[in-house]
Amino acid sequence: EIVMTQSPATLSVSPRERVTLSCRASQNIGNNLAWYQQKPGQAPSLLIYGASTRATGIPARFSGSGSGTEFTLTISSLQSEDFALYYCQQYNNWPPSITFGQGTRLEIK
Amino acid sequence: QVQLVESGGGVVQPGRSLRLSCAASGFMLGNHGMDWVRQAPGKGLEWVGIIWYDGTEKYYADSVKGRFTISRDNSKNTLYLHMNNLRVEDTAVYYCARDRGNGDFFDDWGQGTLVTVSS
Repeated sequence: EIVMTQSPATLSVSPRERVTLSCRASQNIGNNLAWYQQKPGQAPSLLIYGASTRATGIPARFSGSGSGTEFTLTISSLQSEDFALYYCQQYNNWPPSITFGQGTRLEIK
Repeated sequence: QVQLVESGGGVVQPGRSLRLSCAASGFMLGNHGMDWVRQAPGKGLEWVGIIWYDGTEKYYADSVKGRFTISRDNSKNTLYLHMNNLRVEDTAVYYCARDRGNGDFFDDWGQGTLVTVSS
């Protein structure tokens, strides 16, 4: 099983700050990585796929980078609606065996 | 627009069975692989399994293999999760999710249905 490790578990930041979330894979997954945002009481929603491609309707302040085993999600200027949980997910296995990171919580400082 | 609506959750005793449904609208279910993902209370996301667009292939997480079965009825635009021999650790919100490919990422999710396994 590919283990996904996100860091940090919680990040306290102020609005309008720039923030970077990290995700590490236990083995090479190429660029087969997605990022999701989850707000309290809601389902996750897709932000980024292919490590760096924004999903439809996602603002340009969200960007993803990385390949292989190291990935980052950057939010260039935090808005109030961005304080949420963020998960990375790998989809590199065959047969399919999808795994998620444990999540990073962005909270208001 | 794409809509996925889960139903069938509830409280069930350990060892019993339950069937969840996911009604799809706004797109052709038969054109997409579909997955189930669950989230235990206060915990992270766990992939449960996937069914191919035509139902010919199914894959499961080790934690549910042999107990859970995914099926679909494309004529009814509905996905199912049959859960047998439920355990306390299966307690979670269960989401259906539309797969962009076959075991890729999920571009749409339902709102989830809560399954509580308790005696």
